[in-house]
Amino acid sequence: ETGVTQTPRHLVMGMTNKKSLKCEQHLGHNAMYWYKQSAKKPLELMFVYNFKEQTENNSVPSRFSPECPNSSHLFLHLHTLQPEDSALYLCASSQKRGGYEQYFGPGTRLTVT
Amino acid sequence: QKEVEQDPGPLSVPEGAIVSLNCTYSNSAFQYFMWYRQYSRKGPELLMYTYSSGNKEDGRFTAQVDKSSKYISLFIRDSQPSDSATYLCAAMDSNYQLIWGAGTKLIIKP
Repeated sequence: ETGVTQTPRHLVMGMTNKKSLKCEQHLGHNAMYWYKQSAKKPLELMFVYNFKEQTENNSVPSRFSPECPNSSHLFLHLHTLQPEDSALYLCASSQKRGGYEQYFGPGTRLTVT
Repeated sequence: QKEVEQDPGPLSVPEGAIVSLNCTYSNSAFQYFMWYRQYSRKGPELLMYTYSSGNKEDGRFTAQVDKSSKYISLFIRDSQPSDSATYLCAAMDSNYQLIWGAGTKLIIKP
């Protein structure tokens, strides 16, 4: 595997389910990010991790819970989601926090029913 | 007011045309500006970046920043069907976070 991988690629979940998104980067980077991408809206930064430590949480609802066990892996745990949470969730990494060159995974398309 | 504004399009042009993609921004403190390209079912990838005002050229692509008017542009010469994608502009804020435009969907017709 190369670059940034994300699983699953598609996820449909009910509002009472609990699921997790997984991201893995094979680039040796130290910073990892979660973004939400909705149609015709700018990318919304959700969380930033630098050397496994969370450095930013951009007022994200607690139904989204990130986890970063090491610099290569990032998870987003989901529970009690709302239909408006349906979107493409993108994971990215960069050599260091604040790097302008971010490498993105293909995203997980999430649909909340 | 959004910090980075971008027309979502779509913008449809014939193959071989010169394409002009544009963004405006409101924060005069922004110094780094980026263009990312996103193909369907893929994540964004960095296409070009510029620092402060001026032009930067890479093959058929030219990025331009005019800080006096807070205007960011990307020009594509001799456009190809493979250039069809969504183009996202971004600027870096003082917290080293990227502030994104909504993206412009570009369609190059053969």
